[in-house]
Amino acid sequence: QLHLQESGPGLVKPSETLSLTCTVFGGSISSRNYYWGWIRQSPGKGLEWIGTIYYSGSTYYNPSLKSRVTIFVDMSKNQFSLKVSSVTATDTAVYYCTKGDYHYMDVWGKGTTVTVSS
Amino acid sequence: QSALTQPPSVSGSPGQSVTISCTGTTSDVGSHNRVSWYQQPPGAAPKLMLSEVSNRPSGVPDRFSGSKSGNTASLTISGLQAEDEADYYCSSYISTSTLLFGGGTRLTVL
Repeated sequence: QLHLQESGPGLVKPSETLSLTCTVFGGSISSRNYYWGWIRQSPGKGLEWIGTIYYSGSTYYNPSLKSRVTIFVDMSKNQFSLKVSSVTATDTAVYYCTKGDYHYMDVWGKGTTVTVSS
Repeated sequence: QSALTQPPSVSGSPGQSVTISCTGTTSDVGSHNRVSWYQQPPGAAPKLMLSEVSNRPSGVPDRFSGSKSGNTASLTISGLQAEDEADYYCSSYISTSTLLFGGGTRLTVL
């Protein structure tokens, strides 16, 4: 049974870069059938799609975040990662990594809380 | 791109049916069938309940069904149970290879 686990710092200072990693267990990140992605949820708010990467390396980003977001895969570690630059308090959220197709997510990590504060 | 429109809250008694709507535009919900629904219990991660409007993944009870008419997709939960109490989110694929979520609907089982 494939499952995902997010990891990374829980506290990031304003203007710095947020970096999170998602480790894939029970499956290969190089599978041609899967898209890997990141979703976030600000405190008390709804879900926000951040972006998706296909095994080939093709990436798709939320237009509102595109200038600050990078998603990439490390096949040797069976991981994919998220970087968000120039963070502000509005980037404080629970970040989920996901697996799915290009239009839905059928496996979610448990989520990791990131707080942006000095 | 604005979020898809969902009612903030719905409620129903055990055994009843409830329907949650998700309204978009001709650029998203109205242009294809790539609409999904997610259930998020309090303090938990979301779970996929329906994809492509009405396809249920393995393990999702058939009490959960979906439909679409024009720019509005709907999730119907029949035979409401206490365990169904959660937030529900719709999402739609957009032709520019992006995804859009609804604002979420809190379902209360009375």
